[in-house]
Amino acid sequence: KAGVTQTPRYLIKTRGQQVTLSCSPISGHRSVSWYQQTPGQGLQFLFEYFSETQRNKGNFPGRFSGRQFSNSRSEMNVSTLELGDSALYLCASSLELVEQFFGPGTRLTVL
Amino acid sequence: TQLLEQSPQFLSIQEGENLTVYCNSSSVFSSLQWYRQEPGEGPVLLVTVVTGGEVKKLKRLTFQFGDARKDSSLHITAAQPGDTGLYLCAGEQGAQKLVFGQGTRLTINP
Repeated sequence: KAGVTQTPRYLIKTRGQQVTLSCSPISGHRSVSWYQQTPGQGLQFLFEYFSETQRNKGNFPGRFSGRQFSNSRSEMNVSTLELGDSALYLCASSLELVEQFFGPGTRLTVL
Repeated sequence: TQLLEQSPQFLSIQEGENLTVYCNSSSVFSSLQWYRQEPGEGPVLLVTVVTGGEVKKLKRLTFQFGDARKDSSLHITAAQPGDTGLYLCAGEQGAQKLVFGQGTRLTINP
């Protein structure tokens, strides 16, 4: 069974731009969660989608948004990028359980 | 404020030594998970503990959940270079929501 895939793996943007990241979950997994990982803050929860509905949300500004499609694939969008948004963005999928299966992440650098 | 405090944050030891990593909180969690992350990859689930006082073994790794379900420990016996990585604990806080500790970066020197 294929694992969680994320595209792109690396991305360089400039301040003020917006970015869209994509995640394909493990086949059969309907829950997709997004996390931001930085050296200073560690792994922080952004939001979780289940059956195309946002079920949980972390404490991030409204510039961070996401969506899930009927095939469970998910995208997250960050608008008006700031330098502090530079991070590894991780997507994780799961069944109805809490155990998460992570993708390799997208490394975003904001210049 | 970090809900889950991991200690130590960094640990560098020689191959063959034993070590313990701690994950502490003032909050009660319905379950707690341990992940290992290697450079350039996402975290990989090692174990989930659910019952207070539960002990689980995975080869040379022993995981324990505190009786009050507020803390956990990971003990590695006879560490090997392949154990090198970032170890993360995560507590289940409400339905489908995990809170992660800041991680313990472990280096095993040959």
